Amino acid sequence: EAEVAQSPRYKITEKSQAVAFWCDPISGHATLYWYRQILGQGPELLVQFQDESVVDDSQLPKDRFSAERLKGVDSTLKIQPAELGDSAMYLCASSFGRARYNEQFFGPGTRLTVL
Amino acid sequence: SQKIEQNSEALNIQEGKTATLTCNYTNYSPAYLQWYRQDPGRGPVFLLLIRENEKEKRKERLKVTFDTTLKQSLFHITASQPADSATYLCALPGGGSQGNLIFGKGTKLSVKP
Repeated sequence: EAEVAQSPRYKITEKSQAVAFWCDPISGHATLYWYRQILGQGPELLVQFQDESVVDDSQLPKDRFSAERLKGVDSTLKIQPAELGDSAMYLCASSFGRARYNEQFFGPGTRLTVL
Repeated sequence: SQKIEQNSEALNIQEGKTATLTCNYTNYSPAYLQWYRQDPGRGPVFLLLIRENEKEKRKERLKVTFDTTLKQSLFHITASQPADSATYLCALPGGGSQGNLIFGKGTKLSVKP
């Protein structure tokens, strides 16, 4: 069964360092999402791609976060510099096509700890 | 902006009983609502979607209702099993046209044998 792949699964870094997360969505899925989930909370959308274009990055802290999906397939989320408050689970999800009702398929996430 | 409230952080029930989880929203009525299951350290997994013109949707032991008058969805698991123990998330469209979702905090269900 096709799955969303993410790496690394765990990342420990010191504040002010740069970190990067990678996501490979399910083949054929045009829409890709990056979420941040703090323990005890629901996922919060950071950025949404339709193919290679950003369609929603209103909640992305653009002074330190960046995301790209250059060929409309896999994607990278970067934080530079990392801050203590960035410690969270970073989830990638994908969905097929542009339909509003599409279910989202999530990857296993990257657990980030900033020391 | 849309706000979602899931009735309790935790729900403990006995195996074999029916678990009922509540999702309330406060602003505009969404065109649909989704429920996801999340196990510790894992990403959410889609369970069910119900549209605004549907009163009820079933899938095996799961049942979801959607009351736009009450601004509420109920999620039922009948004949609950310890394997149903997980956090259940309610999600609504974020208000844009791009299919993004707003998630509730979730309810952690524990089914005791």
